[in-house]
Amino acid sequence: DIQMTQSPSSLSASVGDRVTITCQASQDINIFLNWYQQKPGQAPKLLIKDASSLEAGVPSRFSGSASGTDFTFTISSLQPEDIATYYCQQYDNVPITFGQGTRLEIK
Amino acid sequence: QVQLQESGPGLVKPSGTLSLTCAVSGGSIGSTNWWSWVRQSPGKGLEWIGEIFHSGSTTYNPSLKSRVTISVDKSMQQFSLSLNSVTAADTAVYYCARGGDSGAYGVFEIWGQGTRVIVSS
Repeated sequence: DIQMTQSPSSLSASVGDRVTITCQASQDINIFLNWYQQKPGQAPKLLIKDASSLEAGVPSRFSGSASGTDFTFTISSLQPEDIATYYCQQYDNVPITFGQGTRLEIK
Repeated sequence: QVQLQESGPGLVKPSGTLSLTCAVSGGSIGSTNWWSWVRQSPGKGLEWIGEIFHSGSTTYNPSLKSRVTISVDKSMQQFSLSLNSVTAADTAVYYCARGGDSGAYGVFEIWGQGTRVIVSS
């Protein structure tokens, strides 16, 4: 199985801060990497697919990038409604696997 | 707009079989999309269980393959999950999700609200 190592596991930031989450794949996954946002009691929501493609309707403050097996998710200016847990997920190989999540809190 | 809704028992006895159904509305289950089951537990995070195409073609997570069956009923616009020989480790929130089409099967664009299943006697 491809292991997705996501960091940090939790993060506290202030409104307006730039926030960065990283995800490292245990082997090459091309760009087949997605990012999801999950709020308490809700299902995950797709924000970014294929490393950097923003889903329709998702605010432009969210972005993603890739460099080899390292992937980065960025919120350019943190808003109160961004409080959630964020997950990366690869689908280059079966089984599809997820990172362990990053819990984002407001400082 | 496609919507997914899971249904099934919230309590299953150990060694029993967990059976869930996902109803698809607002679109056709016969589209070019793949349909998946994903579960989430505190101990294991998000875990992909498997997927099915409307033709009946399936792919399973090898870690669960010996216990899982995913099936589709096109006439009822639904797909189902069966997981046998359950233990407490199978306690989780179970989600159904729509993947993209062939090249993007693992892009989960739409999710059900999830259903909590507890394995306990």
